[in-house]
Amino acid sequence: EVQLVQSGAEVKKPGESLKISCKGSGYRFTNYWIGWVRQMPGEALEWMGIIYPDDSEIRYSPSFRGQVIISADKSISTAYLQWNSVKASDTAIYYCASPIGVPGTFFWGQGTLVTVSS
Amino acid sequence: DILMTQSPSALSASVGDRVTITCRASHGISDSLAWFQQKPGKVPQRLIYMASNLHTGVPSRFSGSGTGTEFALTISSLQPEDFATYYCLQHNTFPWTFGQGTTVEI
Repeated sequence: EVQLVQSGAEVKKPGESLKISCKGSGYRFTNYWIGWVRQMPGEALEWMGIIYPDDSEIRYSPSFRGQVIISADKSISTAYLQWNSVKASDTAIYYCASPIGVPGTFFWGQGTLVTVSS
Repeated sequence: DILMTQSPSALSASVGDRVTITCRASHGISDSLAWFQQKPGKVPQRLIYMASNLHTGVPSRFSGSGTGTEFALTISSLQPEDFATYYCLQHNTFPWTFGQGTTVEI
């Protein structure tokens, strides 16, 4: 069974660093792009960027380039989304998502709520 | 970047109504388009892949159509559980982009 399992909710203060994760199982992790999606409170889904775990090729959406770091560790089938210094405006739910198997068949993680507040 | 213009942004409908949501791509994306349904506080659920293919388990009242730059999601007879927000996603060209969402409400 294909699964994407994300790390738990985080509460951070502005300026702190943060790294959240998404672990894939039930499929060959290295063979499929895996990406991150932001959903701010009451707002639409936004595609942040995507990584190909086999060679770590990364494509960022322009709005997120320089704001976050996407990475992956293929040895443990895990993708990451990282901030060096979070801001209040980073408060959102973050989902990982990947088109696995049949083209265009997207699987989603359960989401990670990130709250940034002083 | 490919801009996905989804319309309408919201619509009011009744149970039994036929509802159509459209997505227009700023450049051609072949049939690399997916549709998702999201209910408040829930993970987006997949409905349609590659523009017109229904995911297993999705009711047949949902259908997708289109290719190139014009796409549509149709619900043939709206049911109470269909009141939600719907998103299209193009995955033909990086960066992948969502439409801004359509909220279907009573």
